[in-house]
Amino acid sequence: AQSVSQHNHHVILSEAASLELGCNYSYGGTVNLFWYVQYPGQHLQLLLKYFSGDPLVKGIKGFEAEFIKSKFSFNLRKPSVQWSDTAEYFCAASWYSSASKIIFGSGTRLSIRP
Amino acid sequence: DGGITQSPKYLFRKEGQNVTLSCEQNLNHDAMYWYRQDPGQGLRLIYYSQIVNDFQKGDIAEGYSVSREKKESFPLTVTSAQKNPTAFYLCASSTGQENSPLHFGNGTRLTVT
Repeated sequence: AQSVSQHNHHVILSEAASLELGCNYSYGGTVNLFWYVQYPGQHLQLLLKYFSGDPLVKGIKGFEAEFIKSKFSFNLRKPSVQWSDTAEYFCAASWYSSASKIIFGSGTRLSIRP
Repeated sequence: DGGITQSPKYLFRKEGQNVTLSCEQNLNHDAMYWYRQDPGQGLRLIYYSQIVNDFQKGDIAEGYSVSREKKESFPLTVTSAQKNPTAFYLCASSTGQENSPLHFGNGTRLTVT
């Protein structure tokens, strides 16, 4: 079955630290990848997406992610986090064989110490 | 203002009763989705629909049912067969294109006692 894995359940960082959140997806052919963010009390919103082309994708608020096909990974990065980045982050994927079916990982809660 | 409306925000039911959660969108999106969000488990797909009068089971469809009679509406019924119905339910929609992102509603928190 198709799946998305996020191994970091809760990450705690200080402001200005660098961030990398892991995401791995199962093999299933051509894949579309997404990162969503849920700020406290708000609905989920898209941070960035990858479907083809440059494997390094830039998103909103200084986030970026790198698609590494050989590792089935799509890790989210930010060079310097801010307190306002405190949120829950979800990786998601859809596969070409069933493009409308979008599967999410279990999420990573990010807490930033001011 | 285009968006997705889920109602109500909070819903309480007694065990053994069916309950229907509403989801309406005015984005003219073809695809609609229902997810269930539980702490530590992320979002799990219940049902999705790519077009009117058609829908597919997600990973945890047991105990749930849906209908898609209109493009704008995708109601979810939580039946008495659902063993653990207390959860936060999220509705989403997309254009249905291969790489189109999801737009989410604000969710309905269902508590069954």
